[in-house]
Amino acid sequence: KNEVEQSPQNLTAQEGEFITINCSYSVGISALHWLQQHPGGGIVSLFMLSSGKKKHGRLIATINIQEKHSSLHITASHPRDSAVYICAALLNTGNQFYFGTGTSLTVIP
Amino acid sequence: DAGITQSPRHKVTETGTPVTLRCHQTENHRYMYWYRQDPGHGLRLIHYSYGVKDTDKGEVSDGYSVSRSKTEDFLLTLESATSSQTSVYFCAITPDRGQREQYFGPGTRLTVT
Repeated sequence: KNEVEQSPQNLTAQEGEFITINCSYSVGISALHWLQQHPGGGIVSLFMLSSGKKKHGRLIATINIQEKHSSLHITASHPRDSAVYICAALLNTGNQFYFGTGTSLTVIP
Repeated sequence: DAGITQSPRHKVTETGTPVTLRCHQTENHRYMYWYRQDPGHGLRLIHYSYGVKDTDKGEVSDGYSVSRSKTEDFLLTLESATSSQTSVYFCAITPDRGQREQYFGPGTRLTVT
């Protein structure tokens, strides 16, 4: 069993749709990290959060520590949002991350 | 941009040969990490370092060794490459201050034939 589970694994959306990607974890964490990876590309940091909600442009990340769950939302999705979205849990030790297997998002024009 | 480079970016090697991958950072952060990324798996930690000559094993460290003789460089060595080590390897750093989010290098695609 993975310590970090993401759903869905794959997601196809029409341009303009509201998108939600979920991340659940079973370990004690100090923070949750959302990352983006474009096809053939590098890995880019989107958000790091330990409570509440963060917003950057059309991206919103929320976390519920009690329920051990985080969500990444994309409003007004665009084809350039097509990528793999990865969540990673920073362990309480503060030194190591556990990663989910990623959600592959395709936004169709 | 955390100033992280990896070399080589692509490598093809034969089974049984030694291979060394290099990660270089320009900002003197203490924590550096080596991960491998394979289909169906999340990024998995191979080794990490928390300072010069200070390293520790991750969950998939068998067959790999690391060295860190300078703050800016973290080397990953496959002593005798096997086909199961065909993967994309990412180096990452965590800033010493702030929220400790990770910043990744561009990756090295390694193929062991």
